[in-house]
Amino acid sequence: AQKVTQAQTEISVVEKEDVTLDCVYETRDTTYYLFWYKQPPSGELVFLIRRNSFDEQNEISGRYSWNFQKSTSSFNFTITASQVVDSAVYFCALRMDSSYKLIFGSGTRLLVRP
Amino acid sequence: DGGITQSPKYLFRKEGQNVTLSCEQNLNHDAMYWYRQDPGQGLRLIYYSQIVNDFQKGDIAEGYSVSREKKESFPLTVTSAQKNPTAFYLCASRPGTGLNTEAFFGQGTRLTVV
Repeated sequence: AQKVTQAQTEISVVEKEDVTLDCVYETRDTTYYLFWYKQPPSGELVFLIRRNSFDEQNEISGRYSWNFQKSTSSFNFTITASQVVDSAVYFCALRMDSSYKLIFGSGTRLLVRP
Repeated sequence: DGGITQSPKYLFRKEGQNVTLSCEQNLNHDAMYWYRQDPGQGLRLIYYSQIVNDFQKGDIAEGYSVSREKKESFPLTVTSAQKNPTAFYLCASRPGTGLNTEAFFGQGTRLTVV
């Protein structure tokens, strides 16, 4: 079965702290794609990153970085020097190459306090 | 500007009534999706459509219906058979060619049964 687990329901940090959001996935497919989305209070999901199963290189985009490890089936997301504007719900998602279906985790609510 | 437009933003429905949520995209995307979001849960797939005049049930299709008569439009009808329709509904679209592409989301419709 395919599944995405985001064990952290809520995280609260003080501005400028680093924070890591965990994502663990399950799939038997060898080709699949992983995604992170941000959902601000407005409700729209904003795409952050896509990773395919053959590319285990970590990626950095400004204050955001992602650590993909197939050995542990994890795709964790780190925000460095967090800011109040980072406050949102963050979703990790999985899609198998054999399917159009996007499977979401339950999300992690991040609160960055001034 | 290109994007996905959902309307209305807020919708109230009396018990026993059908109601239709609109989703329009001008991104020329082939695939379109409807998701339901409940508090503390991830997004669950209701229906998806890969091309015009074709659609498939997702994980929670009971009590919902869709149509895909035009490429740019994918309306969702919440019928009286849906026992607990109060939720946040998100529409998404994605280019149909290739599976390694991300989905783009609308701003959502919050449906409340009164």
